[in-house]
Amino acid sequence: ETGVTQSPTHLIKTRGQQVTLRCSSQSGHNTVSWYQQALGQGPQFIFQYYREEENGRGNFPPRFSGLQFPNYSSELNVNALELDDSALYLCASSLQGLGTEAFFGQGTRLTVV
Amino acid sequence: AQSVTQPDIHITVSEGASLELRCNYSYGATPYLFWYVQSPGQGLQLLLKYFSGDTLVQGIKGFEAEFKRSQSSFNLRKPSVHWSDAAEYFCAVGAVDSNYQLIWGAGTKLIIKP
Repeated sequence: ETGVTQSPTHLIKTRGQQVTLRCSSQSGHNTVSWYQQALGQGPQFIFQYYREEENGRGNFPPRFSGLQFPNYSSELNVNALELDDSALYLCASSLQGLGTEAFFGQGTRLTVV
Repeated sequence: AQSVTQPDIHITVSEGASLELRCNYSYGATPYLFWYVQSPGQGLQLLLKYFSGDTLVQGIKGFEAEFKRSQSSFNLRKPSVHWSDAAEYFCAVGAVDSNYQLIWGAGTKLIIKP
């Protein structure tokens, strides 16, 4: 039991719509990272939030945005959905730095039609 | 730029046989190295990690990995696999100068023959 929960577990959206995915991080963790995992691929880093501020971003367009709240939970927002956005979206919580383990949620499966 | 290569998309081994999953990385300095396992419908679970020190790292579930700087490799091994080890395995690299973001390999799917 990692303590990281994501909602919803599955979602179907139409191209052009907007979506919000949510992540509740493990108690005591101040850092949340979001990853996109396309079918048959490894996860791709989207961005990371530390104490409510973005402190790292991968190669994703600005229509991918996020928030981290004072309780360290987080949201991933994607605007103007494209078919290629269909993927498993993973949230990981940790303490800042690589010295501690990142705990992953089970992910949200997003399908864009 | 950092990169991670897992050359084997699938590996099939018999239950009880030994296992080695390959991982090669590209990075200018000593990276932080990880192996994760992902079972169907499950999130990613950390098996082991290497930051510094002893190049042979022990992890959970009887797995170990060896960091070889000269070969830029971090291969995962297990002496005797169990049917429950069937899953997808990911190698990942992180670095301080990239704000600790993890770069992942494409994964190796492990299939266990009875």
